Amino acid sequence: GENVEQHPSTLSVQEGDSAVIKCTYSDSASNYFPWYKQELGKRPQLIIDIRSNVGEKKDQRIAVTLNKTAKHFSLHITETQPEDSAVYFCAASIEDSNYQLIWGAGTKLIIKP
Amino acid sequence: DAGVIQSPRHEVTEMGQEVTLRCKPISGHDYLFWYRQTMMRGLELLIYFNNNVPIDDSGMPEDRFSAKMPNASFSTLKIQPSEPRDSAVYFCASSNRQGSSYNEQFFGPGTRLTVL
Repeated sequence: GENVEQHPSTLSVQEGDSAVIKCTYSDSASNYFPWYKQELGKRPQLIIDIRSNVGEKKDQRIAVTLNKTAKHFSLHITETQPEDSAVYFCAASIEDSNYQLIWGAGTKLIIKP
Repeated sequence: DAGVIQSPRHEVTEMGQEVTLRCKPISGHDYLFWYRQTMMRGLELLIYFNNNVPIDDSGMPEDRFSAKMPNASFSTLKIQPSEPRDSAVYFCASSNRQGSSYNEQFFGPGTRLTVL
């Protein structure tokens, strides 16, 4: 079955710098890749997603890239701000198959002032 | 819409007691998911339903855990008997699906369970 690995587990960056979180997946049939953000004590919330027919997607300061050949996808946050501090989860799934998301272990992003 | 509603928000119980967690999904959503989150194991899918029918319960840790969805607006996750290692935050999430495309999973606020 599908396995998703996420790195790093913790990432500390200076406010204003960029942050990159990477995920790899094992099942080449996976075609849907969402990213969720979970602030301390709160619920996970979708921030961006990408499908396998697209190589990159942007939404203001966040972007996701997908490399199907290498089976990895990444979250990029530019001009980081204190409110970006959170745990970020990647996930993967096969849209035409079951509806189950396979989750990465999460990355704790710390924005230093 | 009020979003996904979970109750209780916090539960403290003693080992051996029965615990029932409740979830009301967003109206019109036909998928409901139960997750457990701990520091050690991260976010784990326990079970999910489609149109009130359990589809995959392979994540349910053992027979002490059971889940039901008697109608489209209500689901329960029951632990009987509870053990200290069940202490975690339990999230319920709901979603709908258009054709073969995923839509966002909306999470509830979670229930923080502590078993003493």
